[in-house]
Amino acid sequence: DQQVKQNSPSLSVQEGRISILNCDYTNSMFDYFLWYKKYPAEGPTFLISISSIKDKNEDGRFTVFLNKSAKHLSLHIVPSQPGDSAVYFCAASAIRTGTASKLTFGTGTRLQVTL
Amino acid sequence: DTGVSQNPRHKITKRGQNVTFRCDPISEHNRLYWYRQTLGQGPEFLTYFQNEAQLEKSRLLSDRFSAERPKGSFSTLEIQRTEQGDSAMYLCASTLDSYEKLFFGSGTQLSVL
Repeated sequence: DQQVKQNSPSLSVQEGRISILNCDYTNSMFDYFLWYKKYPAEGPTFLISISSIKDKNEDGRFTVFLNKSAKHLSLHIVPSQPGDSAVYFCAASAIRTGTASKLTFGTGTRLQVTL
Repeated sequence: DTGVSQNPRHKITKRGQNVTFRCDPISEHNRLYWYRQTLGQGPEFLTYFQNEAQLEKSRLLSDRFSAERPKGSFSTLEIQRTEQGDSAMYLCASTLDSYEKLFFGSGTQLSVL
């Protein structure tokens, strides 16, 4: 049972344009969401997070939007840069259960930013 | 570099052999996690420690798997009688407390022939 789903395995975007990566979840206990970026042969690195009490969080070029009623979140990267090319994982956890850092990951979306 | 360190980076073994991986977390972090990632999938939770206590194990962690964190610092993950299905990237992560983001190591890539 895939509780966190990333339905697009890959995405190609031109440099300077907006990248939008999507994520859906099914477990209503999830109340904390994160995006991790992963380069080949490296571990995932934290990018941005959002709590369920918010519907938007920004950090520089990265913005995460949360739609709790739809159980959907998205990561916007603008403007996209070639260095953003990586696999992006959506992850979720349940703070209210006291295991905020036990993460459930999606299957990832490979973003390629072309020149 | 004070990040999470994992050794070895790569391990090739024959089916039926035992393997052990080591993880050194960020020094002040008291929570340590093991995840497994197979091709095309996201990392899957295996187990975690708070200090030296192993607090939760996933049902993915069969009896052939054992993890320890003897002094609340480094951790080892042992797989006995390896099977080809154990081939995966084994990731270690640490955090200061349960409400902080995880910091991941670069992983150990296991190939079982």
